[in-house]
Amino acid sequence: NAGVMQNPRHLVRRRGQEARLRCSPMKGHSHVYWYRQLPEEGLKFMVYLQKENIIDESGMPKERFSAEFPKEGPSILRIQQVVRGDSAAYFCASSRIIGGNEQFFGPGTRLTVL
Amino acid sequence: DQQVKQNSPSLSVQEGRISILNCDYTNSMFDYFLWYKKYPAEGPTFLISISSIKDKNEDGRFTVFLNKSAKHLSLHIVPSQPGDSAVYFCAAKGGSEKLVFGKGTKLTVNP
Repeated sequence: NAGVMQNPRHLVRRRGQEARLRCSPMKGHSHVYWYRQLPEEGLKFMVYLQKENIIDESGMPKERFSAEFPKEGPSILRIQQVVRGDSAAYFCASSRIIGGNEQFFGPGTRLTVL
Repeated sequence: DQQVKQNSPSLSVQEGRISILNCDYTNSMFDYFLWYKKYPAEGPTFLISISSIKDKNEDGRFTVFLNKSAKHLSLHIVPSQPGDSAVYFCAAKGGSEKLVFGKGTKLTVNP
């Protein structure tokens, strides 16, 4: 019973490049959440998606960031034209149904922007 | 504006003793609270949760207490073990599915 899977685990990009982070939810889970953790900080909500729908993107920066959860395949968090301030750990979580209060997290992708 | 606060960045206890981690919140809309444990370079692991209609929830060595009037919750670990050494995050939700996290408390259990 595989947990939430994220890849890559580590990603290094130069300023101006694009970063693509992937997340496969737990089996049977149809809700995906993305969080970002900056050094010495707690996790900050970014976006909540269901299949083919963005439900809540109130935590997403207005520019350069986008997320999708297609009908087939993993959820993707895309960061265009990365800057040094984007360096962080990005965590994906999934839950079973709406109102399923427990979110289960993946191991994270650590993005480093040079 | 930090809605969930964990005011102790770190806590050190002896093996076998009780660990008490505290969390305060400001948003009255929060109705569900969770504790997560996190090891370095790993994702948070769900530990225990509590609904606002309860004041206590217990699971093995872990007990969470909720004081709604004080907007305060605590996690008790008894007895503490060296393997419990990790960063513990308090999280809350209410009115939406997004979790709001505190900054975490680093627990060290000394043998």
